[in-house]
Amino acid sequence: EVQLVESGGGLVQPGGSLRLSCAASGFTLSTYVMHWVRQAPGKGLEYVSAITRGGTTVYADSVKGRFTSSRDNSRNTLYLQMGSLTAEDMAVYYCARGRVELGTRDRDAFDIWGQGTMVTVSS
Amino acid sequence: EIVLTQSPGTLSLSPGERATLSCRASQSVSDNYLAWYQQKPGQAPRLLIYGAFSRATGIPDRFSGSGSGTDFTLTISRLEPEDFAVYYCQQYGTSPVTFGQGTKVEIK
Repeated sequence: EVQLVESGGGLVQPGGSLRLSCAASGFTLSTYVMHWVRQAPGKGLEYVSAITRGGTTVYADSVKGRFTSSRDNSRNTLYLQMGSLTAEDMAVYYCARGRVELGTRDRDAFDIWGQGTMVTVSS
Repeated sequence: EIVLTQSPGTLSLSPGERATLSCRASQSVSDNYLAWYQQKPGQAPRLLIYGAFSRATGIPDRFSGSGSGTDFTLTISRLEPEDFAVYYCQQYGTSPVTFGQGTKVEIK
């Protein structure tokens, strides 16, 4: 079964850091562009980041300079390192797969989503 | 950044009725790179439509997408009980990727 499973969410103090993981199964991570999308409680979807097959990254302005996406293709795992967290970063974070295998664009529709992991920023 | 405006905010319909959801872009969506997602409470979004009108794998044919340029539509021909959810459009033609604010389809 093709699946993405996020982990690493939790409670963090304002200004703190957190690293999210996204484990892929049922497909080879290295052949897809991968993405992070977040959703604040009761709100809509917000794009966060993309990482291409070659490791090039793209970030939303709201997280640029604070968040870093990376991938370990040997472990079939995606990561999102988050720093200088504020209340505005509190959300469910989803990893998602770009639809096109061997895609070359850093933008795509997302055909597989994880179940999400909640990040709470509070003192 | 391309702003996507979805209307209406809420659509109240009965099972069996037709649902028409609109997504309007602040500028033309490149190559009609427009997707639609369905999200139910407590669940991740599910891809329904990509490229404005192509159905994703396993999506029933009662879901159809249309439109081009700045005006796009998701149509659900006959609502089934499981279709009551929130629907989002997304453009992925121009960086940054953006989403609409969502349309909730609720049972009348």
